[in-house]
Amino acid sequence: EAQVTQNPRYLITVTGKKLTVTCSQNMNHEYMSWYRQDPGLGLRQIYYSMNVEVTDKGDVPEGYKVSRKEKRNFPLILESPSPNQTSLYFCASGPGQGYEQYFGPGTRLTVT
Amino acid sequence: GQQLNQSPQSMFIQEGEDVSMNCTSSSIFNTWLWYKQDPGEGPVLLIALYKAGELTSNGRLTAQFGITRKDSFLNISASIPSDVGIYFCAGRITGTASKLTFGTGTRLQVTL
Repeated sequence: EAQVTQNPRYLITVTGKKLTVTCSQNMNHEYMSWYRQDPGLGLRQIYYSMNVEVTDKGDVPEGYKVSRKEKRNFPLILESPSPNQTSLYFCASGPGQGYEQYFGPGTRLTVT
Repeated sequence: GQQLNQSPQSMFIQEGEDVSMNCTSSSIFNTWLWYKQDPGEGPVLLIALYKAGELTSNGRLTAQFGITRKDSFLNISASIPSDVGIYFCAGRITGTASKLTFGTGTRLQVTL
């Protein structure tokens, strides 16, 4: 089944404890992206990648890192999480930068 | 980032009724996407539009890429209870190939 998977789906952590949210797609997509969704603010792009080893900042990149070492994986790294990073995070992938995007199931992160 | 104006914000309809919603912007778009999101889940792609004037159907759903390229419409015919959810439009402004701009969402609730 063609899909985008994310792990974990739920995570509660404490301020400053480094964490990684994994994202993987099995559709051989070149384009991958991370979003956060907050009430009243909608979906906002954090980082995106147009291909392996090519990443760029979205609208809200502060406090996040990404890497794209393989085509199928695009992990999101929070080096020192803070409470304002409590949010619902979505990974998405698409066949190219000008095409549709398919979203993962989401990761609900709480930072205390 | 910029958000699209999506209306209505919410709607209650009776099962069997037709539904219409739209997204508008002051910018010119070269892609329009329509998604449905259930609570706590990732957005699911419903319809993708790539040409001005394009009209595309997916079962009971029909979407159109506005001829001015500044708007898009989604219609749902003969609504059923499983249509409940939040519907988002997303578009790609001409010249910003890597970035999707999202609408604020239309919450659809269906009464029996």
